[in-house]
Amino acid sequence: DQQVKQNSPSLSVQEGRISILNCDYTNSMFDYFLWYKKYPAEGPTFLISISSIKDKNEDGRFTVFLNKSAKHLSLHIVPSQPGDSAVYFCAADSGGSNYKLTFGKGTLLTVNP
Amino acid sequence: SQTIHQWPATLVQPVGSPLSLECTVEGTSNPNLYWYRQAAGRGLQLLFYSVGIGQISSEVPQNLSASRPQDRQFILSSKKLLLSDSGFYLCACWTGNYEQYFGPGTRLTVT
Repeated sequence: DQQVKQNSPSLSVQEGRISILNCDYTNSMFDYFLWYKKYPAEGPTFLISISSIKDKNEDGRFTVFLNKSAKHLSLHIVPSQPGDSAVYFCAADSGGSNYKLTFGKGTLLTVNP
Repeated sequence: SQTIHQWPATLVQPVGSPLSLECTVEGTSNPNLYWYRQAAGRGLQLLFYSVGIGQISSEVPQNLSASRPQDRQFILSSKKLLLSDSGFYLCACWTGNYEQYFGPGTRLTVT
């Protein structure tokens, strides 16, 4: 049972335009959500996060939106740059001292110059 | 800030051979440690996590095992590798903030 879903395996956008990556979840106990960026043959790096008490968090070009009623979150990148080309993973945590993250399968973003 | 080291970076092993991947963490103490695997075309699958020395929790039944002999050392092992064990293995740590930090990973190819 996949509790965190990223239904788009890939996304291609033009440089300077907006990239929107989507993520859906099924576990209503999730209360913290994170986005990671991963280049090939490297470990994921943390990008941005959002708590379930918020509906928006912004950090520079990156904004994450959370719709709890729809169990949906999205990552917006504006403007997109070629260096943003990577796999983006959505992850969720349901709290507790073990702090186990549940990851989606990832979306490959390609930003074309 | 913490730094995670993993070695080797790449490994090619025949089916049936043993495996030992090592992860060490610098810059923090008493972290939670995690082993993930990214198989081709799949997401990050949590394999094991540890909240302290000698404490290992397994998430997925398989022929892999993990050990934590020291506070900042996490080892992933197998007695006999299967073809399905091929993948990209990632060690991660959590130090109390919300994000987990990942190491550079080990690419394992079982032939």
